[in-house]
Order: sequence, then C-alpha cells, then structure tokens
Amino acid sequence: DAGVIQSPRHEVTEMGQEVTLRCKPISGHNSLFWYRQTMMRGLELLIYFNNNVPIDDSGMPEDRFSAKMPNASFSTLKIQPSEPRDSAVYFCASTPGTTIGNTIYFGEGSWLTVV
Amino acid sequence: GESVGLHLPTLSVQEGDNSIINCAYSNSASDYFIWYKQESGKGPQFIIDIRSNMDKRQGQRVTVLLNKTVKHLSLQIAATQPGDSAVYFCAEILNDYKLSFGAGTTVTVRA
Repeated sequence: DAGVIQSPRHEVTEMGQEVTLRCKPISGHNSLFWYRQTMMRGLELLIYFNNNVPIDDSGMPEDRFSAKMPNASFSTLKIQPSEPRDSAVYFCASTPGTTIGNTIYFGEGSWLTVV
Repeated sequence: GESVGLHLPTLSVQEGDNSIINCAYSNSASDYFIWYKQESGKGPQFIIDIRSNMDKRQGQRVTVLLNKTVKHLSLQIAATQPGDSAVYFCAEILNDYKLSFGAGTTVTVRA
C-alpha cells in the first residue's frame, strides 16, 4: 500500500502567489482530512470530506483558502493569495470510514514557506 | 523521565529507561483518545488508543492510562530506545471524526 501521497513535499513561494497542494488518499478510503501544523497552533483540522463531499470546513482560516475533492482519489488545497502567516506544514489524511478510530493515516506533509 | 502537562514540552530520557508523557484534555464528554508519534519530517503515526470505559490499555512496550476524573492521559514507554525519539501527541476525538491534538512533547533519547 502506497499510503497517503502528498505533493509537493516542499514549496517556497512569494507572498501573493497562488499555492496548490495535492493529495491522493489511500485507495478505498472514503474520508479525507486536511490538517495544518504550526509551532504556534499545533495541528489543526482545516476541512473534512466524506465521499468527496465537504462535511466540516469550519477550520478553514479565511476565504483565501479553498479545498476540493473532485473524485475519490484526489484532493487539492489552494491558497490564493498566499501570505507569510500561511507558512506551515499541511497534512492530508484518509480513513476508510466516517469514524476515524485507529485507521487514520497521514501523509508526509507539504512544507510551505511563503516569503 | 516524566513530563508534566503541556507546559513542559521536552523530555530527555536515558536509553533503556522508562518514559512517561502526560497530557491533559479539555472536553469531559470525549470518549476516545489516541496517542500519536511524529518523527522528524513525517506525519503523525498511530501508537495506541483508549476509550473512556477503560482506564488502562497496553500495547507493545507502550501503556496508556486514562484518568477521567482529572481529564488526564499518560503514555508510558518501556525500555526507551533511540528510535523512540520523536514528538508525541495525545488527541481526543470530537464528533467521531475530528482529532483535537495536544501541544506535543518532544522526547529525546540519550545513548
């Protein structure tokens, strides 16, 4: 099993630019999560999809952030325009069901630096 | 070695000793808790979980203790090894799907 695959692993971009982070969940998993990790705020849930439908986006910081899941094998998190305070590690995670239990698997993260 | 709450985010332990990592949670209605290990440059990895109807659960070299009265969790690692060096997070599950993570404790194993 390839695990949750995220790209890019590292990105450095200038303030104001658009950033798109990508995620391929584990095949057969129907729940997908985007988390953000910073030193100040730790790990925070940004958005949760179930069967490609956004169920909880209350963690999305503001309108500059958007996430999509056009099919069961792909999701994107977009930041437009990016700001230095968006610098963080963004994790995608997936799980087979709606209750996560011990079956949630995290990708290795996308390390974003906005300068 | 032992860490206290979320205000002491680092723990240094001698290889072979036992480690105790502590965590306080906020929601008295939470009924499911998970400990994660995060190695440098990687995502969180499941270690062990416990439900609120239990006060202790054991895995391979790890034990989780739950004290619901004071809303406290601890993770005990027996015979700590260099590969145990990582950041450890406790998490409570909200609404069946939302992981609410603690601040994390960095464990460093001394050879």
